[in-house]
Amino acid sequence: DSGVTQTPKHLITATGQRVTLRCSPRSGDLSVYWYQQSLDQGLQFLIQYYNGEERAKGNILERFSAQQFPDLHSELNLSSLELGDSALYFCASSDLFQPPDTQYFGPGTRLTVL
Amino acid sequence: AQTVTQSQPEMSVQEAETVTLSCTYDTSENNYYLFWYKQPPSRQMILVIRQEAYKQQNATENRFSVNFQKAAKSFSLKISDSQLGDTAMYFCGLSGGGADGLTFGKGTHLIIQP
Repeated sequence: DSGVTQTPKHLITATGQRVTLRCSPRSGDLSVYWYQQSLDQGLQFLIQYYNGEERAKGNILERFSAQQFPDLHSELNLSSLELGDSALYFCASSDLFQPPDTQYFGPGTRLTVL
Repeated sequence: AQTVTQSQPEMSVQEAETVTLSCTYDTSENNYYLFWYKQPPSRQMILVIRQEAYKQQNATENRFSVNFQKAAKSFSLKISDSQLGDTAMYFCGLSGGGADGLTFGKGTHLIIQP
């Protein structure tokens, strides 16, 4: 158990809908990362937040957004869903300083868009 | 842009054998970190080992060790005395050292045969 929690575990929805994925980082970690794992794109970094502020952006679509709240949990919002958004979405957290850049992953949320 | 290449889509070895998974990468950063993550059928991403680019000594964690060749930009993972529980996808990852998201290779599916 990495200490990172993600809810829900599974999500099934329809095209055009909007969903919110939730992540709680390990205790003490200020940094949260979101990744998408799909068959065709592999594991892709989406976005990173550090202590409530956006820190880095990867291959995140404009239909997707995220935020990190004062209690450090993070939410990834996916809107206008398409079939191709079906994937496993991971959240990871890290303490930037001890040791730097080591990310611990949550169990993932499996999103199915029908 | 950073790239990570894993040239072995699948490998199969007998239990107790030693196996080496290959990874090459490209980055313009001077200070970076390399990782191997394991993804068993449960889909959980589990950190196996990490290597700081500025360290010449190869990292070791029990049966897992790396061969880090900085000039060649190569970062292979050696698993000694392989066990059935080592069956998983293995992903090589690169972090630019600036708390960015990880760049992953496409993975190697390792199968340990009894």
